[in-house]
Amino acid sequence: GESVGLHLPTLSVQEGDNSIINCAYSNSASDYFIWYKQESGKGPQFIIDIRSNMDKRQGQRVTVLLNKTVKHLSLQIAATQPGDSAVYFCAEGGDFGNEKLTFGTGTRLTIIP
Amino acid sequence: ETGVTQSPTHLIKTRGQQVTLRCSSQSGHNTVSWYQQALGQGPQFIFQYYREEENGRGNFPPRFSGLQFPNYSSELNVNALELDDSALYLCASSWTSGSLGGETQYFGPGTRLLVL
Repeated sequence: GESVGLHLPTLSVQEGDNSIINCAYSNSASDYFIWYKQESGKGPQFIIDIRSNMDKRQGQRVTVLLNKTVKHLSLQIAATQPGDSAVYFCAEGGDFGNEKLTFGTGTRLTIIP
Repeated sequence: ETGVTQSPTHLIKTRGQQVTLRCSSQSGHNTVSWYQQALGQGPQFIFQYYREEENGRGNFPPRFSGLQFPNYSSELNVNALELDDSALYLCASSWTSGSLGGETQYFGPGTRLLVL
């Protein structure tokens, strides 16, 4: 996997615009998916989760879309703010997320003021 | 901020030494998982503790070991440190309820270990 570092996929978005972060997962049997946000020097912070029996779930300013056919997740952040700048990871985790989490490639999101 | 705490925040050791990292789980949580996050990588699962026993292990050698205490806090021990053990060690707590499943994991701030 990749996260903080030279090979990390990056996305730059103007403040106030919407952003979409994509993630491909590997295990077609996974039933539970989570998006985490990791700011520099901190641990991953839970953003939103979704179960495999759903295609879409919305939270505050965030929406997660799940496409099981192509094993793809996306995180949409509406009206981005400077505080949204961070590395974002998707993770797959068993049935309820309390088991082993397998993290995908992180994406560094930079919000341009 | 989650209620998961870790100590110490930073640590410097030399190759061959041993280290113990500590984690206090969030109130109401009974399961602790440990992850290693090397620079430029996503977190990698080391192992999980539930009911004071190891409940799943990732691809890490036996010199990585752990404990869980009756109050659900946990320790990660690493023996014979190698340079490649330099990483951010993350603890995550969650709630597990036997056959009823459980809830997702919340991470602590991590312990940054540097092995020289």
